[in-house]
Amino acid sequence: ELKVEQNPLFLSMQEGKNYTIYCNYSTTSDRLYWYRQDPGKSLESLFVLLSNGAVKQEGRLMASLDTKARLSTLHITAAVHDLSATYFCAVTNTDKLIFGTGTRLQVFP
Amino acid sequence: DSGVTQTPKHLITATGQRVTLRCSPRSGDLSVYWYQQSLDQGLQFLIQYYNGEERAKGNILERFSAQQFPDLHSELNLSSLELGDSALYFCASSVRTYTGELFFGEGSRLTVL
Repeated sequence: ELKVEQNPLFLSMQEGKNYTIYCNYSTTSDRLYWYRQDPGKSLESLFVLLSNGAVKQEGRLMASLDTKARLSTLHITAAVHDLSATYFCAVTNTDKLIFGTGTRLQVFP
Repeated sequence: DSGVTQTPKHLITATGQRVTLRCSPRSGDLSVYWYQQSLDQGLQFLIQYYNGEERAKGNILERFSAQQFPDLHSELNLSSLELGDSALYFCASSVRTYTGELFFGEGSRLTVL
């Protein structure tokens, strides 16, 4: 059974600082997604990573994928308050998309 | 706006009752997915349909059922409701099966009293 784990579960960080969220998954998969969710809101797609070594960047967020290590990272550069949200990674397994536990990020001044 | 429409947005009902949640996928999307999000269980995959046929099943209770109609909209039926069924139910759609990103609706918040 595919398991997807994220760490940390909670992250409180100061504006301007850098940090990385980790996503580990247990079985081979051919694509990995990162989503953002604001409280009580829908999920917004951030990145789709399709191959080993894939790296995508959008603003202060950069995602990478290492399929051999079954690891993806979401790096936050110079955090700002607007990045406060919950971030999920998700991995495909046959016809299922399995979500990680989520990382709740809070950025404070 | 993702283009995925879910109704109702909020629903309050009593234990033992039955409710139906509706989802209209983005124009052109053939796959519909249902997820349940609760505080203690996170985002749980329930079921997926592709062009009217069930493609994958997750942790969906026997009290729950779903279908996708010829016009591609989908309904999730929840019966004999229990307090623990209170959650946010999301529908998502994609063009095919996981060949690209999933687009999520705003969700239906179900409260069972």
